[in-house]
Amino acid sequence: SQELEQSPQSLIVQEGKNLTINCTSSKTLYGLYWYKQKYGEGLIFLMMLQKGGEEKSHEKITAKLDEKKQQSSLHITASQPSHAGIYLCGAPPGRSQGNLIFGKGTKLSVKP
Amino acid sequence: NAGVTQTPKFQVLKTGQSMTLQCAQDMNHNSMYWYRQDPGMGLRLIYYSASEGTTDKGEVPNGYNVSRLNKREFSLRLESAAPSQTSVYFCASTQSPSSYNEQFFGPGTRLTVL
Repeated sequence: SQELEQSPQSLIVQEGKNLTINCTSSKTLYGLYWYKQKYGEGLIFLMMLQKGGEEKSHEKITAKLDEKKQQSSLHITASQPSHAGIYLCGAPPGRSQGNLIFGKGTKLSVKP
Repeated sequence: NAGVTQTPKFQVLKTGQSMTLQCAQDMNHNSMYWYRQDPGMGLRLIYYSASEGTTDKGEVPNGYNVSRLNKREFSLRLESAAPSQTSVYFCASTQSPSSYNEQFFGPGTRLTVL
C-alpha cells in the first residue's frame, strides 16, 4: 500500500526565516494535496499538484511536485506567526479514487 | 454556503455507549468520506460513499457503521464505543471519486471514550 512520509516531523523557526517541508511517496503520485491544520480545527486546503514538475504559489507559500511524481516540497518564505500549525500532505491512492492517504504531518512553530 | 458541517463538535462517551456522528454538505457533491485522526498517525479512512446509495470500507472500518442518508448527508455510527475509538473524526466530500477533485473537510468531532 502507498505511504507518504513527511519530514521533518516538527520545525521551530524564527519569524522571517524561510523553511521547507517535504513529502515523499512510496509510489508514483496521481496527485498531491497540501493542507494546513490549526490545533482543534479542520483542514484548510492550500494547493493541489498533479503534473510532474508542477509548481504553484499562493502568497508566501510555494509547493512543487518533482518530475518523477514521487516527492513534493512546501516552501514558506519569510515565515510569520500566522503560518504556525500542522501541515499535511495527502494523495489519492488511485486515479479514480477520491479518498486521500495522508502523511503524519509536520508541526510548524514560528517564534516572534 | 456552509460547505461541510459536522455535529457534534465534542462528545464524551462511556465504554459500551453508542452514538452517531452527523455530516452534511451543501455543495452537491457525490462522494463523501469519514476519517479519523490520531496523534502521530495522520488521517486514516474509515468508510466512504462514492455516490448516493453506495458505501465501502476504508482502512480502519472495524467498530463503525455508516449510512448515506441522501446525497447531502453521511453519518457514522459507533454501536458500542471503546476507548480505542477516542479520536478526532473528520468528514469530507468531493465532487466525484477522482484524483483530480479537491476534498473539502468539515471542522471535526472530538470524541473521548472513557
